[in-house]
Amino acid sequence: GAGVSQSPSNKVTEKGKDVELRCDPISGHTALYWYRQRLGQGLEFLIYFQGNSAPDKSGLPSDRFSAERTGESVSTLTIQRTQQEDSAVYLCASSAKRYSPLHFGNGTRLTVT
Amino acid sequence: TQLLEQSPQFLSIQEGENLTVYCNSSSVFSSLQWYRQEPGEGPVLLVTVVTGGEVKKLKRLTFQFGDARKDSSLHITAAQPGDTGLYLCAGAYDMRFGAGTRLTVKP
Repeated sequence: GAGVSQSPSNKVTEKGKDVELRCDPISGHTALYWYRQRLGQGLEFLIYFQGNSAPDKSGLPSDRFSAERTGESVSTLTIQRTQQEDSAVYLCASSAKRYSPLHFGNGTRLTVT
Repeated sequence: TQLLEQSPQFLSIQEGENLTVYCNSSSVFSSLQWYRQEPGEGPVLLVTVVTGGEVKKLKRLTFQFGDARKDSSLHITAAQPGDTGLYLCAGAYDMRFGAGTRLTVKP
């Protein structure tokens, strides 16, 4: 596709359930980022993938959060045992290479009830 | 991690007014990016500034990078309702964002 695609666009889940969020970056983009945006706030960095290098996981808030990326394609962000404070919009972005401008998807709005 | 502070946090003005928002850090940046985010969408890149003292113009928006490359400003001339949104800055090294300035322009 022409842009970054995220799915689902909305997800409602019960507290304690696991959720998986998907990101399809722009083809050929080697860098991929995940961010969390709580209501009315800025972007909180979660994790960064660059090619086949080890990901920068320094922003993951707890061990309930994990992410994977297959080569330079799809990435999934998994949240285990969801809590109400996990409710937020999760944004994915890709770039052609490190330091290049980011192209964002429209996010997945996660609501934990 | 290079920390970015943005100010003001919120700004509400009337159409036609001018405004300036700021992005500051104690660290030196190799380059800095400005994005705008509208409700329900992801942020979109406005500009990248690279050279200390650099000034870039995008229609009614003027971006400046400080001489020491530790700060940047965004000035909007004759703001319009279409300028409403969340303005974010990010250091290109680690792509961490400031908290943003939420701008509302009233018609």
